[in-house]
Amino acid sequence: KAGVTQTPRYLIKTRGQQVTLSCSPISGHRSVSWYQQTPGQGLQFLFEYFSETQRNKGNFPGRFSGRQFSNSRSEMNVSTLELGDSALYLCATTPLARNTGELFFGEGSRLTVL
Amino acid sequence: TQLLEQSPQFLSIQEGENLTVYCNSSSVFSSLQWYRQEPGEGPVLLVTVVTGGEVKKLKRLTFQFGDARKDSSLHITAAQPGDTGLYLCAGGDNYGQNFVFGPGTRLSVLP
Repeated sequence: KAGVTQTPRYLIKTRGQQVTLSCSPISGHRSVSWYQQTPGQGLQFLFEYFSETQRNKGNFPGRFSGRQFSNSRSEMNVSTLELGDSALYLCATTPLARNTGELFFGEGSRLTVL
Repeated sequence: TQLLEQSPQFLSIQEGENLTVYCNSSSVFSSLQWYRQEPGEGPVLLVTVVTGGEVKKLKRLTFQFGDARKDSSLHITAAQPGDTGLYLCAGGDNYGQNFVFGPGTRLSVLP
């Protein structure tokens, strides 16, 4: 059974640019959550999508956005990149409508902003 | 806002030693999960506890959920280098739609 796939794994951008990250969930998983992980702040929740609808949103500025497609694949976008956006962005999926169980994480996309 | 604290932040021990890491909050959680994250990988679930006072054992790992469902501990017996990683606790709300993660305990087990 294929795991959660995130692309790209690594990317380098400069301040002011934008970036789009992709997450393909495990087959049958319909809930997709995004997290930002940094050494200083740990794992912070960005947003969660289920059936193409954003159900929950963390405390991040509007530069961070996401969407989910009908096949449950999800993308997140960060516009006007800042140095502080350098982080590991993790996608996590679950099969349930309500996220009462295990979060299956991808390996992450490591973003470096110069 | 629900917050989770973990201690210690860093732990370096010799192979064969025992250790306990803690996860604490002032909030009540309906469930609590422990994950381990290795370098270059995403977190992987170790266990979920849902009942106050619950104790679960997974080989050399023992997990306990506090009676009040506000805290949890992870005890590792006879640690091995393969146990090295970042241990994260995550608290879930009643609907399981929101998970709050602690900052993690970074464990290094030296051979």
